[in-house]
Amino acid sequence: DTGVSQNPRHKITKRGQNVTFRCDPISEHNRLYWYRQTLGQGPEFLTYFQNEAQLEKSRLLSDRFSAERPKGSFSTLEIQRTEQGDSAMYLCASSDPGLAGGSTDTQYFGPGTRLTVL
Amino acid sequence: AQSVAQPEDQVNVAEGNPLTVKCTYSVSGNPYLFWYVQYPNRGLQFLLKYITGDNLVKGSYGFEAEFNKSQTSFHLKKPSALVSDSALYFCAVRDGDYGGSQGNLIFGKGTKLSVKP
Repeated sequence: DTGVSQNPRHKITKRGQNVTFRCDPISEHNRLYWYRQTLGQGPEFLTYFQNEAQLEKSRLLSDRFSAERPKGSFSTLEIQRTEQGDSAMYLCASSDPGLAGGSTDTQYFGPGTRLTVL
Repeated sequence: AQSVAQPEDQVNVAEGNPLTVKCTYSVSGNPYLFWYVQYPNRGLQFLLKYITGDNLVKGSYGFEAEFNKSQTSFHLKKPSALVSDSALYFCAVRDGDYGGSQGNLIFGKGTKLSVKP
């Protein structure tokens, strides 16, 4: 496996239900990011992990959203009490900052999970 | 605040002609700039990035981009377009002076490139 994988690829749910998405990053990438993309827009940052630590959260990440990366490998994004406005493509990316750290690393994206809330 | 503008929603080019997809940015510190391509119902694929050094950056599939600090631009170019280049292109920026804990990229809205035979 050479890329970021995301499951499921598609999810249809009814308003008010909870959903959970999974992201498996490229092996040994210690940074993992979640973005949301709506139609006609570029991806918008949601949250970011370095290993198991969640270092940054966007104001877009309401209280209904929670993300975890318990062992510093795969990550899950849960949305509770879904609303129609949550319908979007949820993208995961991973990167390896190398020994130097910093912010020059390239983020590699998975295929995304498309969420439709009815 | 960081921002990226892609002023063209769509660019139409004939196959074999050169193409340019425009991007301008705003950051308070040093810009780290990226281009990604997205095919329908797919994630984003990395094309190239500018961190420092030579203003002309070469990337995947024959694409290149030119960093212009005075114009705060990072336009994507290709000398000869292919029909298979038709896709959605996104420019993104990160503030290099913010520090290593600032992980996120700021993306433009995207430009749809259509290459006709």
